[in-house]
Amino acid sequence: GDSVTQMEGPVTLSEEAFLTINCTYTATGYPSLFWYVQYPGEGLQLLLKATKADDKGSNKGFEATYRKETTSFHLEKGSVQVSDSAVYFCALSDLGANAGGTSYGKLTFGQGTILTVHP
Amino acid sequence: DAGITQSPRHKVTETGTPVTLRCHQTENHRYMYWYRQDPGHGLRLIHYSYGVKDTDKGEVSDGYSVSRSKTEDFLLTLESATSSQTSVYFCAISEFRSNQPQHFGDGTRLSIL
Repeated sequence: GDSVTQMEGPVTLSEEAFLTINCTYTATGYPSLFWYVQYPGEGLQLLLKATKADDKGSNKGFEATYRKETTSFHLEKGSVQVSDSAVYFCALSDLGANAGGTSYGKLTFGQGTILTVHP
Repeated sequence: DAGITQSPRHKVTETGTPVTLRCHQTENHRYMYWYRQDPGHGLRLIHYSYGVKDTDKGEVSDGYSVSRSKTEDFLLTLESATSSQTSVYFCAISEFRSNQPQHFGDGTRLSIL
């Protein structure tokens, strides 16, 4: 079945440092890939997405490229800020099917990576 | 932001009591989902709905039931709550079946003593 593996955290950086959070996936179909961010006490917010191989998603200075050959979708940011402190989730979306044959948008998450940025 | 409201936001209850969580959306999206979030597990799908009165099980559905009588509302019920169901519960919605992101509510923190 589908699975997503993220680098384990927590990750602690100083402000303006370079960020990489690794994400690799296993999927049988042609999934879309997402990064979500969760700030304390809030729900998950979509950060960026890529729907096919070689697509680059970007938002708020974050980037990730859909690499089919390495089954990866690593999140990067050139200069992090204190306000980037949050939990980051890599996820893939594929078609799932229940026992009755009805299909649905199945979202599979990694376990999350806690990022803390110090001034 | 997607119009998703979860209620209550926090709840403390005792083992063996019934609990119902509500998810309300204003986006008229067809698909709705309930997840639970636990440390080290990311988010896991409990149940989902693909239309009014159309629901099915996710990967961790034991001990939970759902109902959807209107497009905008999706209820999650714990018939007899147990301490292992202490978690943060998130509702999500999506317009299409696949390859599109789901949008999440702010969650309900449920503690079962």
